[in-house]
Amino acid sequence: DVKVTQSSRYLVKRTGEKVFLECVQDMDHENMFWYRQDPGLGLRLIYFSYDVKMKEKGDIPEGYSVSREKKERFSLILESASTNQTSMYLCASSLTRDGQETQYFGPGTRLLVL
Amino acid sequence: GQQLNQSPQSMFIQEGEDVSMNCTSSSIFNTWLWYKQDPGEGPVLLIALYKAGELTSNGRLTAQFGITRKDSFLNISASIPSDVGIYFCAAIRYSNYQLIWGAGTKLIIKP
Repeated sequence: DVKVTQSSRYLVKRTGEKVFLECVQDMDHENMFWYRQDPGLGLRLIYFSYDVKMKEKGDIPEGYSVSREKKERFSLILESASTNQTSMYLCASSLTRDGQETQYFGPGTRLLVL
Repeated sequence: GQQLNQSPQSMFIQEGEDVSMNCTSSSIFNTWLWYKQDPGEGPVLLIALYKAGELTSNGRLTAQFGITRKDSFLNISASIPSDVGIYFCAAIRYSNYQLIWGAGTKLIIKP
């Protein structure tokens, strides 16, 4: 079974703090993704990565950065957390073979910025 | 970003009833996926569809990839209490491999 783990289930931070969200997958997947999920807005893609040290902006990259130094690990960084970044953050990984791709999700990190 | 049109938005049904939900789009996709999300958890993949017209079952769940490549449906037969949750459709286009999401269908089962 594919396993995607996230470093924290719940996190409380103060405005202006630097926040690191870690995601690790154990299936040697090439692709990794960070989403945020908010009521009424569904899942929105923040950043994704198709290879080590490679990153691409998603739909809402502002206020975020990412790091992929190793294939199994994809980190989301909030340089200076703001209250509008309070959300559920979901990491996913996938493998693309013969044009087929399926994304597998971690359990999510619920971030509260005060 | 672009979203798929998923309906209904919510469903209130009796235990034992069958459930049907669908997703449509004006665009063509190469892959359709159905996920279920429980409160406080990440989405869990239920069914993946890779060919137009494909009909796939997973236990009491059945999903189909529309022949036009622009839609998909998910059916749940004989619903049980643990079916409660939010069901999401998602689709992928080969050109950019990004996942496009529906807004979700919230399933509530009346005791």
